[in-house]
Amino acid sequence: QSVLTQPPSASGTPGQRVTISCSGSSSNIGSNYVSWYQQLPGTAPKLLIYRNNQRPSGVPDRFSGSKSGTSASLAISGLRSEDEADYYCAAWDDSLSGYWVFGGGTKLTVL
Amino acid sequence: EVQLVESGGGLVQPGGSLRLSCAASGFIFDDYAMHWVRQAPGKGLEWVSGISWNSGSIGYADSVKGRKGRFTISRDNAKNSLYLQMSSLRAEDTALYYCAKGLGQWLVSGVDYWGQGALVTVSS
Repeated sequence: QSVLTQPPSASGTPGQRVTISCSGSSSNIGSNYVSWYQQLPGTAPKLLIYRNNQRPSGVPDRFSGSKSGTSASLAISGLRSEDEADYYCAAWDDSLSGYWVFGGGTKLTVL
Repeated sequence: EVQLVESGGGLVQPGGSLRLSCAASGFIFDDYAMHWVRQAPGKGLEWVSGISWNSGSIGYADSVKGRKGRFTISRDNAKNSLYLQMSSLRAEDTALYYCAKGLGQWLVSGVDYWGQGALVTVSS
């Protein structure tokens, strides 16, 4: 049971726009930045979004992040076959002595 | 180019110990926090532990704290290396352990680059 809640799956057709949600609480998303990671099959995760909506250099602007209250979203526009991967949200949680929490991951299928 | 190379994984019996290492290059190691994140087979990501740039702030997931602290994270800035000493290992510790570079000096800043992982299998 993950602290952050994501839908287990999402899908879209090439060119479409899809969004993946991430729900948390006041101790994590509500008070800290959200990051998003993409994990292609058999590879290590890759940072897509940090500080809610910032893209590292090299990440296409088709990927965008947003946050409102205790929820966050990742949007992918102009969907491409190579976007088929697992996507994870993450945030620092202030409870106890503090720790990082991840969502359970969303498997994105490009139909 | 940032490179993180983990080593030290393997097969260990329940109750045993193992030490993971991570050799870092391509960035100023002692400017950044470092983390260990694991992924059990077919499962999602789980943060295990993190250590600030100066080792002044350290955090652990509840799952690895235990009564005596089963896992211990450390770093050697002179050797650009990160370590994870694991003891009292359990079957549920079986996972691919990733070394990850922090976005900033402190644990709260998150991670950007990840290594390819070291596989730890706990089984009799």
